[in-house]
Amino acid sequence: DQQVKQNSPSLSVQEGRISILNCDYTNSMFDYFLWYKKYPAEGPTFLISISSIKDKNEDGRFTVFLNKSAKHLSLHIVPSQPGDSAVYFCAASGGNQFYFGTGTSLTVIP
Amino acid sequence: KAGVTQTPRYLIKTRGQQVTLSCSPISGHRSVSWYQQTPGQGLQFLFEYFSETQRNKGNFPGRFSGRQFSNSRSEMNVSTLELGDSALYLCASSQNPGTYGAELFFGSGTQLSVL
Repeated sequence: DQQVKQNSPSLSVQEGRISILNCDYTNSMFDYFLWYKKYPAEGPTFLISISSIKDKNEDGRFTVFLNKSAKHLSLHIVPSQPGDSAVYFCAASGGNQFYFGTGTSLTVIP
Repeated sequence: KAGVTQTPRYLIKTRGQQVTLSCSPISGHRSVSWYQQTPGQGLQFLFEYFSETQRNKGNFPGRFSGRQFSNSRSEMNVSTLELGDSALYLCASSQNPGTYGAELFFGSGTQLSVL
C-alpha cells in the first residue's frame, strides 16, 4: 500500500521556468516531509524539508508547500536549471520510518 | 566528516546464491535504514536498525535480513536470490529518523544483478 504517491513519473521544463513537482500522502499522522534529489548511479541527496506546523519552507531556488487538509505537498524550483535534471523523491514520516514516493524524473531543457 | 559508505558498489550473482551487503554510517549516527530501488517502484523500505535493534521492518520476505553491530555498521543479507531481487540497494544513516531535522543520509548504493 503506497502511502506516499507521486503521480507524475516525468516532467519536462524549459530552463529558467518554474518546475512544480507534486506529492500526495494518505496518512494524516505524517508530520515531517522531505524532498530528495537523485542522479543516476548515486544515492539520493537531501534537498529540503518541512514540518507539519508550517505550510511553506524556502531555501534558495527551492520552496516546498504543504497543504495538510489536502494531504498534498509540492516542490517549486525557480528558476529551473539544466543541473536540476534528476529524479526527485518526496518522503514522509510520522515516527521513525520514512515512506518514499515513486519519484518524478525532471528534465530541464536548455 | 565521511559520508555513508556502502560496499561493494556492484555485485553479480546467480539465482539461488546468497549475498551480503555492507554499510558504514556517518560517525555518530545510530540509525541505519535499508531501501530497495527498482525502476518504477521508488524506494521500498526494507528495515531500520537503531543501536543494534531492528525497530522497523518493511514488507519483504524472510530471505531479506540484516543486522547492526556495536559500531553502528550494518549488513544486509539476501538468501536464495531470485531474478526479481536485482535492484539498487541503498543504505541510509540518521541520528534518529523521523525527528524533525534528522534527515536520512544515503550512500551511493550497491547495484545487485541476479542472473
